[in-house]
Amino acid sequence: EAQVTQNPRYLITVTGKKLTVTCSQNMNHEYMSWYRQDPGLGLRQIYYSMNVEVTDKGDVPEGYKVSRKEKRNFPLILESPSPNQTSLYFCASSQTRNRDIQYFGAGTRLSVL
Amino acid sequence: AQSVTQLDSHVSVSEGTPVLLRCNYSSSYSPSLFWYVQHPNKGLQLLLKYTSAATLVKGINGFEAEFKKSETSFHLTKPSAHMSDAAEYFCVVSDPRDTGRRALTFGSGTRLQVQP
Repeated sequence: EAQVTQNPRYLITVTGKKLTVTCSQNMNHEYMSWYRQDPGLGLRQIYYSMNVEVTDKGDVPEGYKVSRKEKRNFPLILESPSPNQTSLYFCASSQTRNRDIQYFGAGTRLSVL
Repeated sequence: AQSVTQLDSHVSVSEGTPVLLRCNYSSSYSPSLFWYVQHPNKGLQLLLKYTSAATLVKGINGFEAEFKKSETSFHLTKPSAHMSDAAEYFCVVSDPRDTGRRALTFGSGTRLQVQP
C-alpha cells in the first residue's frame, strides 16, 4: 500500500530537549515536504526537498532542520524545541513531475512544555 | 504572490441537504487549484484539482467545484451531504509555472458539520 508514515504520532516534550520526527514514503517520490498546521492558519510549509541531498527552506523554517540522505526518508529535527513549536506536523511527498498532488502522512501532534 | 481565502470557518448542514464551501483566490497568473479533505486524526486527502482544463471539476465522493475566473472563486459543492462528509476542508492554490519549490498555499480551512 502506498503511504507516507510519520513517527511518532503524538509527542510531549520539554523546552530545549532535541527531538526528531521521522517521515518515510514507499512511493519512490523525489519531492518531500514538511508542514505545520495551526488553528486558523491552514498548513504552512517548513522545509522541502527536491531529491536526495537537496533541501530548502519553506515559509516557516526557523527552529527546524531537515536532512535527506535517502530518497524514502525525510526527518524533521528540532534542535531546541520551544513552546511556539507546539503544533500538528505533516509530512508529504509527491512525484517531481506532478508536485501539485501531494500525499500526506497522518500527522504528528507535538506539545512542547 | 498567491493567496486563498475560505469564507466560512464552520459550515453546518443536515444530512441529505446540499453542501457549499466557499473559496476565493488571488494570484497574478492562472493558478492550479485544489480541495483537500482532512478527516479527524487523518492526513490530508486530495478531493479534486483544477489545472486549466474544464472549469467544472468532479472529485471523489460526489464533490465538485467550479472555477470562475471573473469571480476568482473555486467553491466546493455536493448535492446531498452524508454523515461521512464531516471533516475539515482546505482550498489550496499553487503556481503551475513554478518548476522548483511548487509550494501549496493553503486556506485556513472550513470545518463541515453534518447533522443527522
